[in-house]
Amino acid sequence: DTGVSQDPRHKITKRGQNVTFRCDPISEHNRLYWYRQTLGQGPEFLTYFQNEAQLEKSRLLSDRFSAERPKGSFSTLEIQRTEQGDSAMYLCASSYDRGGLAGATGELFFGEGSRLTVL
Amino acid sequence: GEDVEQSLFLSVREGDSSVINCTYTDSSSTYLYWYKQEPGAGLQLLTYIFSNMDMKQDQRLTVLLNKKDKHLSLRIADTQTGDSAIYFCACAPYGGATNKLIFGTGTLLAVQP
Repeated sequence: DTGVSQDPRHKITKRGQNVTFRCDPISEHNRLYWYRQTLGQGPEFLTYFQNEAQLEKSRLLSDRFSAERPKGSFSTLEIQRTEQGDSAMYLCASSYDRGGLAGATGELFFGEGSRLTVL
Repeated sequence: GEDVEQSLFLSVREGDSSVINCTYTDSSSTYLYWYKQEPGAGLQLLTYIFSNMDMKQDQRLTVLLNKKDKHLSLRIADTQTGDSAIYFCACAPYGGATNKLIFGTGTLLAVQP
């Protein structure tokens, strides 16, 4: 397994179009996270999944954003009716949660990101 | 909500030590982390420290934690040009139960040859 992979790496779209990003986590990782990173800022949490269940969504995730992880493996993040303010790097990360067992460090493994430019 | 702050930029000469500082507001984090981001790449975990520790050393990296002041620092000894990158500190609220990390704005480390 080579790590977390994201596709596409770059996407340029016109305002108002829909875009979808895909994330393939490290196999056997049961948690998957989406973050957004704008220029000069740290990653901001958007949402996360435990297996196929979406357990938390940030207030940053407007109604135009939807994320799925249908079979508990890969995930998609769709943005509808894109706006220029959506331009950012969308990062996916995965981790393995051992149910609170001792020794879990909570490390997140990040993909290289999908850069979105909305014209 | 939780907040993590860092200075934006640090410039050092090759061979010197670098110290990157971070302050945070959340007191529930079980672990605190340092991530490195090189241009065009994702974030890579550098090191972490358990909240009941004051210091952790890992080869050229030393992490200091002052829980009372909610201050975290990363020292890189013998800094190399390959260390040039953005460094993010992160905390995990709720004791890390969700693994949700809150990141700082990042410190750009520039290493001059």
